[in-house]
Amino acid sequence: QVQLQESGPGLVKPSETLSLTCTVSGGSISSYYWSWIRQPAGKGLEWIGRIYTSGSTNYNPSLKSRVTMSVDTSKNQFSLKLSSVTAADTAVYYCARVLAVAGTAGWFDPWGQGTLVTVSS
Amino acid sequence: SYELTQPPSVSVSPGQTASITCSGDKLGDKYACWYQQKPGQSPVLVIYQDSKRPSGIPERFSGSNSGNTATLTISGTQAMDEADYYCQAWDSSRGYVFGTGTKVTVL
Repeated sequence: QVQLQESGPGLVKPSETLSLTCTVSGGSISSYYWSWIRQPAGKGLEWIGRIYTSGSTNYNPSLKSRVTMSVDTSKNQFSLKLSSVTAADTAVYYCARVLAVAGTAGWFDPWGQGTLVTVSS
Repeated sequence: SYELTQPPSVSVSPGQTASITCSGDKLGDKYACWYQQKPGQSPVLVIYQDSKRPSGIPERFSGSNSGNTATLTISGTQAMDEADYYCQAWDSSRGYVFGTGTKVTVL
């Protein structure tokens, strides 16, 4: 079955750019939306954005000015960049596949194991 | 902005029924889904499209959605069901919105 694995630096300095990659295995990345979701320690889930394999994106309005997502179908990977990070961006970052039926936005399944990113100097 | 509100905690005795609510404006007009998250683990989908169970999810998990409230019901709750549960829906302005989360304790 499809599995997702996040990778990237676990420590990022304030004001710099957080960069993460999600590698999809066990299936093709094509013809799906893929998302990033984060969770600060002890807190709830926050959707960051989604990307279709064509490159079309939608972002959370609260993060839109700082988020860029991209996809590399040849590597079965998609990526997240979050600029100008602060301590408030410290969280576990998850990647997930979006499943949906026609006309609906869908749900997330499966999720990656998550990667902790700490913003600190 | 669109918000989904859940009770912070629900307690249930083993073998009894746990009900977790998720409230949002006209939520019944949208599709709701539910995730289970155990400590240190990634969320797992347990209900999608209001009431459908993914393959591998026990039948004791069921869902409904009407009016302003979606409900996740766990019948015959087991100790292994102790976890945090999050609802989720789509809003045309905010995108994917998650509920505030409910910690289910099996006493």
